Amino acid sequence: DQQVKQNSPSLSVQEGRISILNCDYTNSMFDYFLWYKKYPAEGPTFLISISSIKDKNEDGRFTVFLNKSAKHLSLHIVPSQPGDSAVYFCAARRRGGSEKLVFGKGTKLTVNP
Amino acid sequence: NAGVMQNPRHLVRRRGQEARLRCSPMKGHSHVYWYRQLPEEGLKFMVYLQKENIIDESGMPKERFSAEFPKEGPSILRIQQVVRGDSAAYFCASSPTLGTSGTDTQYFGPGTRLTVL
Repeated sequence: DQQVKQNSPSLSVQEGRISILNCDYTNSMFDYFLWYKKYPAEGPTFLISISSIKDKNEDGRFTVFLNKSAKHLSLHIVPSQPGDSAVYFCAARRRGGSEKLVFGKGTKLTVNP
Repeated sequence: NAGVMQNPRHLVRRRGQEARLRCSPMKGHSHVYWYRQLPEEGLKFMVYLQKENIIDESGMPKERFSAEFPKEGPSILRIQQVVRGDSAAYFCASSPTLGTSGTDTQYFGPGTRLTVL
């Protein structure tokens, strides 16, 4: 039972354009969401997060949008840069639970020069 | 400010041997989490510990796996009698003492890649 789903295994965009990575979740008890970036042979690096009381959070080139009614969130990267090429993981945490994160399977982003 | 440290980075064991994975959290962090990533999969939660306490071990296999976070020293994930299916990347994360909102970010180490021959 996969509670966090990233349905696109890969995404390819041109440098300078917008990258949009999507994530869907099924558990309505999730109230905090995070995006991590991961390079091969390294650990995940925290990018940006959003609480369920918000619908948008922005940090530089990264913006996360949350649509609670649709149980959907997205990460926008603009403008995309070749150094953004990595695997992006969406993660969620459940209200009232322990602090464990539930991860999606990831989307591999390739930004072409 | 050093990040989360894990060692060894790579570990090779034969079936039936024991594997010990170590994690030193970031300075000032008192919460440690272990996750496992199988090939082509996302990270799967295993266990959440505070100093000398296991808070949530709902993701730990019932047998052969154990974890500790002693008062002094690193957190240890121990796998006894390893099997080929234990081959994976094991990541440790840490977070500071939680505020009332309980939403502190988890910061990950570089991982230990375990290969069981």
